[in-house]
Amino acid sequence: GAGVSQSPSNKVTEKGKDVELRCDPISGHTALYWYRQRLGQGLEFLIYFQGNSAPDKSGLPSDRFSAERTGESVSTLTIQRTQQEDSAVYLCASRPTASYEQYFGPGTRLTVT
Amino acid sequence: GENVEQHPSTLSVQEGDSAVIKCTYSDSASNYFPWYKQELGKRPQLIIDIRSNVGEKKDQRIAVTLNKTAKHFSLHITETQPEDSAVYFCAAASYNTDKLIFGTGTRLQVFP
Repeated sequence: GAGVSQSPSNKVTEKGKDVELRCDPISGHTALYWYRQRLGQGLEFLIYFQGNSAPDKSGLPSDRFSAERTGESVSTLTIQRTQQEDSAVYLCASRPTASYEQYFGPGTRLTVT
Repeated sequence: GENVEQHPSTLSVQEGDSAVIKCTYSDSASNYFPWYKQELGKRPQLIIDIRSNVGEKKDQRIAVTLNKTAKHFSLHITETQPEDSAVYFCAAASYNTDKLIFGTGTRLQVFP
């Protein structure tokens, strides 16, 4: 079946602009995660959605970052007033209820100029 | 909060040799330990995982061992092949937080 998809695959934006990144999880997966991966670095947890529970936002680096999820479907990660240090690949992952395994999307490469 | 340390950051081996990557975690409540492989420019993919109720798990050329007392776990790759070259990430999660905390990654290079 279809895996996790993300759009856009690449985004170049000017410093100070807002960006929206989209994640389409695997159908039926109740959990959805966002991670940030800077060049040559590890995966940094940002936010986690599980069903209708309040999201775990403990990884968001500043109040310029926010995310929403509609039910158990699409999620959007919004970065306001982008800074050059926001340049990274943003990865989304989803997970079914009965499993720990996370399935990753291809990521969105964000470049802030 | 949970912290996961991973060593080494880079590892070079000759084809056919074994490779070992080690991780330590801080949260004693952690009970799930996956390993992900990320090839250049691609998404991370799960290669093996272990739960806290077992000490070792093997899948063909890869194996993972867990020492809960010492709070460390390791990935072992035997008979390495050039296609094993990638960045490997360990991670830890606990049932009460439900989120993965990743190590910083190990870049493995297998030379033919």
